[in-house]
Amino acid sequence: GQQLNQSPQSMFIQEGEDVSMNCTSSSIFNTWLWYKQDPGEGPVLLIALYKAGELTSNGRLTAQFGITRKDSFLNISASIPSDVGIYFCAGQRGGSARQLTFGSGTQLTVLP
Amino acid sequence: NAGVTQTPKFQVLKTGQSMTLQCAQDMNHEYMSWYRQDPGMGLRLIHYSVGAGITDQGEVPNGYNVSRSTTEDFPLRLLSAAPSQTSVYFCASSISSFSGANVLTFGAGSRLTVL
Repeated sequence: GQQLNQSPQSMFIQEGEDVSMNCTSSSIFNTWLWYKQDPGEGPVLLIALYKAGELTSNGRLTAQFGITRKDSFLNISASIPSDVGIYFCAGQRGGSARQLTFGSGTQLTVLP
Repeated sequence: NAGVTQTPKFQVLKTGQSMTLQCAQDMNHEYMSWYRQDPGMGLRLIHYSVGAGITDQGEVPNGYNVSRSTTEDFPLRLLSAAPSQTSVYFCASSISSFSGANVLTFGAGSRLTVL
């Protein structure tokens, strides 16, 4: 199947710092999505991006759909303890949920 | 609304045993799916269903069976468990198969260990 390279694999940051993570692919996607997974829970959608070059914010989160349609990044500003979790990117080729490819995740730890 | 409910939350099996992971949703969603999550691998699609009576294979279907006799339920069956099936399993649903991933709702997961 298609592969998404998500980096970094893990991050340890101080509370208040900004965070950046990204996903790259050798394939083009029509949609990029970012999810967060809290311990013991399922992934929850944070941001969805539908157009190349699109920059979308959701509170302290900002994500961008790369111009080449092969990459996306997620920034978190002024991190807080509840930001802890695993962040996944996902690329979607067509219009169906079954056409999703997930990245391997970034484990974020926020230190007080 | 309960959303997507998965049971059990934890299960330990011996190699060769069979079991069923249950998934139920109360949102009248047409589309339901099963993923497995392994360290360093992200989520991979096992099977999916676009409506009652219709199922199809995803990326990693071997060793798993599914059926969809009702809109609400989409059980995942392991007929003869193997250690390679040790994983966390997620059920997810959306209003239709063409609604896109932006409205995919995940359950809380079922952690399965096969000894």
